[in-house]
Amino acid sequence: QKEVEQDPGPLSVPEGAIVSLNCTYSNSAFQYFMWYRQYSRKGPELLMYTYSSGNKEDGRFTAQVDKSSKYISLFIRDSQPSDSATYLCAMSDGDMRFGAGTRLTVKP
Amino acid sequence: DTGVSQDPRHKITKRGQNVTFRCDPISEHNRLYWYRQTLGQGPEFLTYFQNEAQLEKSRLLSDRFSAERPKGSFSTLEIQRTEQGDSAMYLCASSFGQGAYTEAFFGQGTRLTVV
Repeated sequence: QKEVEQDPGPLSVPEGAIVSLNCTYSNSAFQYFMWYRQYSRKGPELLMYTYSSGNKEDGRFTAQVDKSSKYISLFIRDSQPSDSATYLCAMSDGDMRFGAGTRLTVKP
Repeated sequence: DTGVSQDPRHKITKRGQNVTFRCDPISEHNRLYWYRQTLGQGPEFLTYFQNEAQLEKSRLLSDRFSAERPKGSFSTLEIQRTEQGDSAMYLCASSFGQGAYTEAFFGQGTRLTVV
């Protein structure tokens, strides 16, 4: 079993839709939870990070962490074609472990 | 450009050759990470430095891989006797801090093709 599980998709939605991306994990030592966005042939860029359980909102993006279920989510409201990318969840207890990434396409 | 810099961006090598990649972290970042990413997969942890000390190395990393960070500044990742399975994107990231998490910034990666 991988430490971090993420459905690779692909996921295709129409512009304006609400997108839900999810990851599960097995290591209860993880304390920090991150979402990265990666465009083709580029390095990942950090979108949001959350410490422990709870919600965090930043513009159209909301990150949720449920440590009791070992489950994290990223919601994107009013999705735009420019949101089309691969979204990677990552978790840390010192160094970072990544999920496989979900490839998202937002169609105009 | 004050971001993480990796060199070269692309490398094509013949099987059995040695290759070395360089990463220049953001100035004053004390942590440096190396990851490997293959198509359709997330970055896979290779190793991690705090200043010049290599604190962790993945058990998946064979003895053909070695990384250094002399003087706690730039880092090099060397792969000896390359194999076709080494073909991947090699990503470097850096961060500043002492605690369990610090925001990490990634470079653009070095894409290695072993033929």
